[in-house]
Amino acid sequence: DVKVTQSSRYLVKRTGEKVFLECVQDMDHENMFWYRQDPGLGLRLIYFSYDVKMKEKGDIPEGYSVSREKKERFSLILESASTNQTSMYLCASSLTGANEKLFFGSGTQLSVL
Amino acid sequence: GDSVTQMEGPVTLSEEAFLTINCTYTATGYPSLFWYVQYPGEGLQLLLKATKADDKGSNKGFEATYRKETTSFHLEKGSVQVSDSAVYFCALIPGGFKTIFGAGTRLFVKA
Repeated sequence: DVKVTQSSRYLVKRTGEKVFLECVQDMDHENMFWYRQDPGLGLRLIYFSYDVKMKEKGDIPEGYSVSREKKERFSLILESASTNQTSMYLCASSLTGANEKLFFGSGTQLSVL
Repeated sequence: GDSVTQMEGPVTLSEEAFLTINCTYTATGYPSLFWYVQYPGEGLQLLLKATKADDKGSNKGFEATYRKETTSFHLEKGSVQVSDSAVYFCALIPGGFKTIFGAGTRLFVKA
C-alpha cells in the first residue's frame, strides 16, 4: 500500500521551542506539500516542494520553513513556536503532472502551550 | 484569486436519506475539481474528480458534475450510510499542481 507517513500523531511543545515535523512518502512522488487544517478555514498551504532542495511558499509561510534533502522526505520547521501555530498539520504528496490528486498522511496535531 | 466556497455544516441526516453538499468556485481558465473525504482520525483521501466541463465524477455512490455555467461542483449521494459520516472538502487545481480547498463540511449520519 502506498503511504505518506508523518512522524508524530500528537505533539505538545512550549512557546519559543524549535519544532520539526517530519513526513516521508514511499511513492517516489516529485511534489510534496505541507498544509495546516483549522476548523472553519479548511486546509491552507504553508509550503510545497516540486523537487529535491526546491521549495516554494504557499499562502501562509510566515513563521515556518521547510527542508527537502531527499526526494522521499519533507520536513516542516517552526523556528520559534507560538500559540497561534497550534493546529493540525497535514503532509501530502503527488506526481508531477498537472491536476494530479494528493495523497495525505494522517496528520500531526500540534499544541503549543 | 482562486477560491472554493462550500456549504457550512454540520449536516445531519438519517440513514438512507439523500445528500447534497453544495460547492461553488472562482477560478480563471479551466480548473480541475475534486472532492476529498476525511474520516475521523485520518488524513484526506480523494473521493472523486472531474477535469473538464460537464464531466461527472463518481465513486462509492457519490457523484458530482462539473458545471461551468454555474461554477459549481455539488456532491450528491442517493442513500447515505452511517459509515459516510466524515468531513467532505471541495477543492480545485486552477493550473499546475497547487490544490485550493474549501472550508469543509462535516456530515453526521444517524442510524
